[in-house]
Amino acid sequence: QPVLTQSSSASASLGSSVKLTCSLDSGHSSHIIGWHQQLAGKAPRYLMKVESSGNYNKGSGIPDRFSGSSSGADRYLTISNLQSEDEADYYCETWDGNIRLFGGGTKVTVL
Amino acid sequence: QVQLVQSGAEVRKPGASVNVSCKASGYIFTSYSIHWVRQAPGQGLEWMGLMKPSGSRTSYSEKFKGRVTMTADTSTSTVHMELSGLRSDDTAVYFCARGFVTTPIDFWGQGTLVSVSS
Repeated sequence: QPVLTQSSSASASLGSSVKLTCSLDSGHSSHIIGWHQQLAGKAPRYLMKVESSGNYNKGSGIPDRFSGSSSGADRYLTISNLQSEDEADYYCETWDGNIRLFGGGTKVTVL
Repeated sequence: QVQLVQSGAEVRKPGASVNVSCKASGYIFTSYSIHWVRQAPGQGLEWMGLMKPSGSRTSYSEKFKGRVTMTADTSTSTVHMELSGLRSDDTAVYFCARGFVTTPIDFWGQGTLVSVSS
Protein backbone atom coordinates (compact mmCIF):
# COMPACT_ATOMS: atom_id res chain seq x y z
CA GLN A 1 0.00 0.00 0.00
CA PRO A 2 1.14 3.55 -0.63
CA VAL A 3 2.43 5.64 2.25
CA LEU A 4 1.80 9.39 2.33
CA THR A 5 3.97 11.64 4.49
CA GLN A 6 3.08 15.20 5.42
CA SER A 7 4.74 17.69 7.75
CA SER A 8 2.64 18.19 10.86
CA SER A 9 2.56 21.97 10.68
CA ALA A 10 3.35 25.02 8.57
CA SER A 11 2.95 28.72 9.10
CA ALA A 12 3.17 31.84 6.98
CA SER A 13 2.21 35.48 7.19
CA LEU A 14 -1.03 36.93 5.95
CA GLY A 15 -0.70 37.73 2.24
CA SER A 16 2.35 35.51 1.72
CA SER A 17 2.56 32.02 0.22
CA VAL A 18 2.89 28.59 1.75
CA LYS A 19 3.80 25.35 -0.03
CA LEU A 20 2.68 22.07 1.52
CA THR A 21 4.27 18.75 0.63
CA CYS A 22 2.79 15.28 0.41
CA SER A 23 5.48 12.67 -0.16
CA LEU A 24 4.69 9.28 -1.65
CA ASP A 25 6.87 6.27 -0.88
CA SER A 26 9.26 5.28 -3.66
CA GLY A 27 7.18 2.33 -4.77
CA HIS A 28 4.18 4.54 -5.51
CA SER A 29 5.91 7.68 -6.76
CA SER A 30 3.68 8.01 -9.84
CA HIS A 31 0.39 8.01 -7.96
CA ILE A 32 -2.21 10.72 -8.33
CA ILE A 33 -3.20 12.39 -5.10
CA GLY A 34 -6.04 14.58 -3.90
CA TRP A 35 -5.78 17.54 -1.53
CA HIS A 36 -8.49 18.31 1.03
CA GLN A 37 -8.95 21.26 3.38
CA GLN A 38 -10.56 20.89 6.78
CA LEU A 39 -11.51 24.00 8.72
CA ALA A 40 -11.80 23.60 12.46
CA GLY A 41 -14.93 21.68 13.38
CA LYS A 42 -16.02 21.24 9.78
CA ALA A 43 -16.12 18.46 7.24
CA PRO A 44 -13.23 18.21 4.79
CA ARG A 45 -13.53 19.98 1.45
CA TYR A 46 -12.00 18.69 -1.76
CA LEU A 47 -9.48 21.11 -3.25
CA MET A 48 -7.78 19.42 -6.21
CA LYS A 49 -6.22 16.43 -7.87
CA VAL A 50 -2.46 16.49 -8.59
CA GLU A 51 -0.82 14.13 -11.09
CA SER A 52 2.80 13.03 -11.28
CA SER A 53 3.22 15.25 -14.36
CA GLY A 54 2.40 18.29 -12.26
CA ASN A 55 -0.99 18.75 -13.87
CA TYR A 56 -3.68 19.63 -11.40
CA ASN A 57 -7.47 19.97 -11.56
CA LYS A 58 -9.31 21.95 -8.93
CA GLY A 59 -12.72 21.29 -7.53
CA SER A 60 -15.64 23.58 -8.11
CA GLY A 61 -15.34 27.00 -6.51
CA ILE A 62 -11.75 26.65 -5.32
CA PRO A 63 -10.06 30.07 -5.47
CA ASP A 64 -7.24 30.78 -7.91
CA ARG A 65 -4.91 31.23 -4.92
CA PHE A 66 -4.73 27.45 -4.62
CA SER A 67 -2.48 25.57 -7.03
CA GLY A 68 -0.80 22.20 -7.31
CA SER A 69 2.49 20.86 -8.63
CA SER A 70 4.68 17.80 -8.50
CA SER A 71 8.34 16.76 -8.40
CA GLY A 72 9.29 13.11 -8.33
CA ALA A 73 7.40 11.45 -5.50
CA ASP A 74 6.37 14.77 -3.97
CA ARG A 75 3.04 16.45 -4.56
CA TYR A 76 2.57 20.05 -3.57
CA LEU A 77 -0.23 22.39 -2.62
CA THR A 78 0.64 26.07 -2.81
CA ILE A 79 -1.58 28.71 -1.27
CA SER A 80 -0.73 32.18 -2.51
CA ASN A 81 -1.85 35.46 -0.96
CA LEU A 82 -2.63 33.59 2.25
CA GLN A 83 -5.85 34.63 3.95
CA SER A 84 -7.04 34.13 7.52
CA GLU A 85 -9.73 31.74 6.28
CA ASP A 86 -7.00 29.45 4.92
CA GLU A 87 -6.01 28.48 8.46
CA ALA A 88 -6.96 24.82 8.47
CA ASP A 89 -5.74 21.24 8.32
CA TYR A 90 -4.76 19.98 4.88
CA TYR A 91 -4.79 16.29 4.00
CA CYS A 92 -3.55 14.43 0.96
CA GLU A 93 -5.22 11.25 -0.25
CA THR A 94 -4.34 8.48 -2.66
CA TRP A 95 -5.52 5.01 -3.51
CA ASP A 96 -4.32 1.57 -4.46
CA GLY A 97 -7.06 -0.42 -6.15
CA ASN A 98 -10.09 -0.05 -3.91
CA ILE A 99 -8.05 0.94 -0.84
CA ARG A 100 -7.81 4.62 0.12
CA LEU A 101 -5.14 6.22 2.27
CA PHE A 102 -4.66 9.63 3.82
CA GLY A 103 -1.57 11.49 4.91
CA GLY A 104 -1.36 12.56 8.52
CA GLY A 105 -2.32 16.13 7.67
CA THR A 106 -0.60 19.51 7.90
CA LYS A 107 -1.93 22.23 10.17
CA VAL A 108 -1.50 25.63 8.52
CA THR A 109 -1.32 28.68 10.77
CA VAL A 110 -1.70 32.17 9.35
CA LEU A 111 0.51 34.61 11.25
CA GLN B 1 -26.27 20.61 -6.44
CA VAL B 2 -24.53 17.60 -4.96
CA GLN B 3 -25.52 16.82 -1.39
CA LEU B 4 -24.59 14.05 1.03
CA VAL B 5 -26.77 14.33 4.11
CA GLN B 6 -25.90 12.13 7.06
CA SER B 7 -27.98 11.00 9.99
CA GLY B 8 -27.66 12.60 13.40
CA ALA B 9 -25.34 12.05 16.34
CA GLU B 10 -25.46 8.75 18.19
CA VAL B 11 -24.48 7.59 21.67
CA ARG B 12 -23.80 3.91 22.30
CA LYS B 13 -22.47 1.70 25.04
CA PRO B 14 -19.43 -0.52 24.50
CA GLY B 15 -20.29 -3.69 22.64
CA ALA B 16 -23.29 -2.17 20.87
CA SER B 17 -23.71 -1.43 17.17
CA VAL B 18 -24.40 1.82 15.35
CA ASN B 19 -25.89 2.52 11.94
CA VAL B 20 -25.08 5.77 10.17
CA SER B 21 -26.86 6.73 6.95
CA CYS B 22 -25.81 8.95 4.05
CA LYS B 23 -28.46 10.19 1.62
CA ALA B 24 -27.18 11.36 -1.74
CA SER B 25 -28.79 13.81 -4.14
CA GLY B 26 -27.88 16.03 -7.05
CA TYR B 27 -26.09 13.38 -9.10
CA ILE B 28 -26.59 9.88 -10.49
CA PHE B 29 -26.31 7.78 -7.34
CA THR B 30 -25.08 4.61 -9.02
CA SER B 31 -22.27 6.37 -10.89
CA TYR B 32 -20.07 7.03 -7.85
CA SER B 33 -18.70 5.04 -4.95
CA ILE B 34 -19.49 6.14 -1.41
CA HIS B 35 -16.56 6.04 1.02
CA TRP B 36 -16.69 6.08 4.80
CA VAL B 37 -13.93 7.95 6.61
CA ARG B 38 -13.70 8.55 10.33
CA GLN B 39 -11.85 11.06 12.48
CA ALA B 40 -11.22 10.47 16.16
CA PRO B 41 -10.99 13.57 18.37
CA GLY B 42 -7.84 15.54 17.52
CA GLN B 43 -6.71 12.93 15.00
CA GLY B 44 -6.44 12.62 11.23
CA LEU B 45 -8.65 11.02 8.64
CA GLU B 46 -8.96 7.23 8.56
CA TRP B 47 -10.52 5.40 5.59
CA MET B 48 -12.92 2.60 6.57
CA GLY B 49 -14.22 1.28 3.28
CA LEU B 50 -16.35 1.93 0.24
CA MET B 51 -19.64 0.87 -1.30
CA LYS B 52 -20.31 0.85 -5.02
CA PRO B 53 -24.09 1.29 -5.24
CA SER B 54 -24.11 -0.16 -8.73
CA GLY B 55 -23.91 -3.83 -7.89
CA SER B 56 -23.66 -3.26 -4.12
CA ARG B 57 -19.99 -4.18 -4.08
CA THR B 58 -17.94 -3.31 -1.04
CA SER B 59 -14.29 -3.01 -0.09
CA TYR B 60 -13.30 -2.67 3.54
CA SER B 61 -10.10 -1.65 5.29
CA GLU B 62 -8.44 -4.65 6.92
CA LYS B 63 -8.74 -2.84 10.24
CA PHE B 64 -12.54 -2.92 10.12
CA LYS B 65 -13.24 -6.21 8.35
CA GLY B 66 -15.62 -8.29 10.43
CA ARG B 67 -17.01 -5.25 12.25
CA VAL B 68 -18.25 -3.00 9.45
CA THR B 69 -21.06 -3.55 6.96
CA MET B 70 -21.99 -1.12 4.20
CA THR B 71 -25.23 -1.39 2.27
CA ALA B 72 -26.95 0.70 -0.39
CA ASP B 73 -30.61 1.39 -1.05
CA THR B 74 -30.86 2.62 -4.63
CA SER B 75 -34.57 3.42 -4.22
CA THR B 76 -33.70 6.16 -1.73
CA SER B 77 -30.11 6.89 -2.86
CA THR B 78 -28.91 6.10 0.64
CA VAL B 79 -25.86 4.23 1.88
CA HIS B 80 -25.78 2.77 5.39
CA MET B 81 -22.70 1.99 7.44
CA GLU B 82 -23.05 -0.30 10.42
CA LEU B 83 -20.20 -0.71 12.90
CA SER B 84 -20.52 -3.42 15.51
CA GLY B 85 -18.65 -4.35 18.67
CA LEU B 86 -18.17 -0.71 19.55
CA ARG B 87 -15.31 0.30 21.82
CA SER B 88 -14.47 3.61 23.39
CA ASP B 89 -11.81 4.22 20.73
CA ASP B 90 -14.54 4.11 18.07
CA THR B 91 -15.67 7.51 19.34
CA ALA B 92 -15.23 9.68 16.27
CA VAL B 93 -16.91 11.75 13.62
CA TYR B 94 -17.88 9.52 10.71
CA PHE B 95 -17.99 11.04 7.24
CA CYS B 96 -19.41 9.68 4.03
CA ALA B 97 -17.81 10.94 0.84
CA ARG B 98 -18.19 10.49 -2.91
CA GLY B 99 -15.64 9.45 -5.49
CA PHE B 100 -14.96 7.42 -8.61
CA VAL B 101 -12.72 4.37 -8.34
CA THR B 102 -9.71 6.11 -9.91
CA THR B 103 -10.18 9.68 -8.73
CA PRO B 104 -9.90 11.45 -5.39
CA ILE B 105 -12.89 11.89 -3.14
CA ASP B 106 -14.60 14.99 -4.49
CA PHE B 107 -17.45 15.65 -2.06
CA TRP B 108 -17.98 15.08 1.65
CA GLY B 109 -20.98 14.68 3.90
CA GLN B 110 -21.33 16.86 6.99
CA GLY B 111 -20.22 14.15 9.42
CA THR B 112 -21.92 12.19 12.21
CA LEU B 113 -20.56 12.09 15.74
CA VAL B 114 -20.65 8.65 17.31
CA SER B 115 -19.85 8.57 21.01
CA VAL B 116 -19.13 5.28 22.76
CA SER B 117 -19.22 5.40 26.53
CA SER B 118 -20.40 3.25 29.40
